[in-house]
Amino acid sequence: DVKVTQSSRYLVKRTGEKVFLECVQDMDHENMFWYRQDPGLGLRLIYFSYDVKMKEKGDIPEGYSVSREKKERFSLILESASTNQTSMYLCASSGLHENNEQFFGPGTRLTVL
Amino acid sequence: SQKIEQNSEALNIQEGKTATLTCNYTNYSPAYLQWYRQDPGRGPVFLLLIRENEKEKRKERLKVTFDTTLKQSLFHITASQPADSATYLCALLWNYGGSQGNLIFGKGTKLSVKP
Repeated sequence: DVKVTQSSRYLVKRTGEKVFLECVQDMDHENMFWYRQDPGLGLRLIYFSYDVKMKEKGDIPEGYSVSREKKERFSLILESASTNQTSMYLCASSGLHENNEQFFGPGTRLTVL
Repeated sequence: SQKIEQNSEALNIQEGKTATLTCNYTNYSPAYLQWYRQDPGRGPVFLLLIRENEKEKRKERLKVTFDTTLKQSLFHITASQPADSATYLCALLWNYGGSQGNLIFGKGTKLSVKP
């Protein structure tokens, strides 16, 4: 069974802390994505990557960075967490085929106090 | 810029009826539209894809239509069941680049099927 896993389901951090969210996929997918999902705002793309060591900004990259050192792993980094970054974070991956179906992880509910 | 809208935030129907969800987009017609299901506290799960040259696609009790003139996709669940209760998201491809591309997601419609 194909899988996208995220390092934590729930996370509580304090303002100013550096936060790492890890995502791993076992499908040998080239493309990986980080989204945040907030009530009334839907899914918003933070960063994406089409290849190892490659990254592109999505719609809301401010306050975030990413790292992709290995094909299967895509990390989201909050350099200095703020309360407005409290959200559900979802990682997804997709392969190089015409459907571009995205496979999502279970999500990380991050609370910044 | 491309926008995608799902008209209803919530839809309540009786078990056994057909649920119809709407997805509208602006500007250019995408190569395809996708539909996802999301249960509370979980990531979205892909259900169906329909291409711009297809009028209709079916999968079991699910049916999706795509009208490029109206710039609209309809998602139908026939003989709905309480287990169909979830949030349904539509998504379209906005970045053309061969087989790569990013999706724009609608905000979703929360479907509740009452027994």
